[in-house]
Amino acid sequence: DAGVIQSPRHEVTEMGQEVTLRCKPISGHNSLFWYRQTMMRGLELLIYFNNNVPIDDSGMPEDRFSAKMPNASFSTLKIQPSEPRDSAVYFCASSLEAGGINEQFFGPGTRLTVL
Amino acid sequence: AQSVTQLGSHVSVSEGALVLLRCNYSSSVPPYLFWYVQYPNQGLQLLLKYTTGATLVKGINGFEAEFKKSETSFHLTKPSAHMSDAAEYFCAGDLGTGANNLFFGTGTRLTVIP
Repeated sequence: DAGVIQSPRHEVTEMGQEVTLRCKPISGHNSLFWYRQTMMRGLELLIYFNNNVPIDDSGMPEDRFSAKMPNASFSTLKIQPSEPRDSAVYFCASSLEAGGINEQFFGPGTRLTVL
Repeated sequence: AQSVTQLGSHVSVSEGALVLLRCNYSSSVPPYLFWYVQYPNQGLQLLLKYTTGATLVKGINGFEAEFKKSETSFHLTKPSAHMSDAAEYFCAGDLGTGANNLFFGTGTRLTVIP
């Protein structure tokens, strides 16, 4: 398997622009997670889906952030409008809940810079 | 409340010295515990995991961790540090909340001094 795929790997945009990050989980996995990593706040869980349904979005910073999972093989994280404080590395991870062991597999991340 | 705590945000060791990274958890049920490693500009990779059974778990790159229920700990060790071990290490746990998300520690950055 190719692992979790994220695109783009790097994104540089200007404040106020819309940003869309994409994730393809490992085939057969039924849970998908979006994380944000910054020097100041470390690794933060933004939202996670189970069987394409959002389960917990309490980590989403504010209404400018939205995430969708239209099918089992694709998810997006959108920021509109973007702000400089959104600059971070965004990770997508997926897992297969099997016997209660939820090992997560991480993608390589998208490094977002908002100018 | 369920949580995973890593003591020490930065650890420095000499090449060839013992590596010890500390992790404690708080859970009302037996947890599943994980150590992940993150190399610069990369995603997190699983080092090892504890689910049930043997409490001493061996992982990749010579790392191992021991689950100690009495101490609610899952410390990561390696007998002899190598320069290539320099990275950030995250302890994580499935603490039996019924949800399938993991609780992550804040990470420990390991520096290896030549």
